Amino acid sequence: ETGVTQTPRHLVMGMTNKKSLKCEQHLGHNAMYWYKQSAKKPLELMFVYSLEERVENNSVPSRFSPECPNSSHLFLHLHTLQPEDSALYLCASSQETRGGFHEQFFGPGTRLTVL
Amino acid sequence: GNSVTQMEGPVTLSEEAFLTINCTYTATGYPSLFWYVQYPGEGLQLLLKATKADDKGSNKGFEATYRKETTSFHLEKGSVQVSDSAVYFCALSVGSYIPTFGRGTSLIVHP
Repeated sequence: ETGVTQTPRHLVMGMTNKKSLKCEQHLGHNAMYWYKQSAKKPLELMFVYSLEERVENNSVPSRFSPECPNSSHLFLHLHTLQPEDSALYLCASSQETRGGFHEQFFGPGTRLTVL
Repeated sequence: GNSVTQMEGPVTLSEEAFLTINCTYTATGYPSLFWYVQYPGEGLQLLLKATKADDKGSNKGFEATYRKETTSFHLEKGSVQVSDSAVYFCALSVGSYIPTFGRGTSLIVHP
């Protein structure tokens, strides 16, 4: 148990569906991240929020829309996805200080399958 | 920019063998260095870290030493177990830059 929870753990959706992934951290951290992990590919950073403001958006397609309503919660809204978006989506949190970003704590991930 | 290079896997070993997974980095400034482990079906979890040159991080029998002169942070374990089978990620964090991860190295340990 890392203190970061993700729901759902598994999700199957059609290309025309709209769904949302949820992440919650119980660690009092002020930075949260979404990563995409596909087979045979490096870990891909998608979005970073620090103090509830988005600080990184790595050219992610607009069919992925993040939302960070407060420092404990992070959502990833999905719509009109493609089969190549099937992957494990990982949420993480960390504490950012003037010294930089510290070690990250990851959730268990949501396994997404797009049909 | 910042980058992390790990040896490609999979690394396949017999139980009780010695493990080394190489990691080298490039960074602006003085990074903190991390090893994360991902067991099947789970997210990543921090295995060990080192925050300055010559520091040694250790946990669960794994060790890594921060070598500034060779910009390396190699992961070692003296005697691996089947339960160590996982994917291992080397990572760095420096200044206000977002943490950078290596590609991951898969370790398979046979009985």
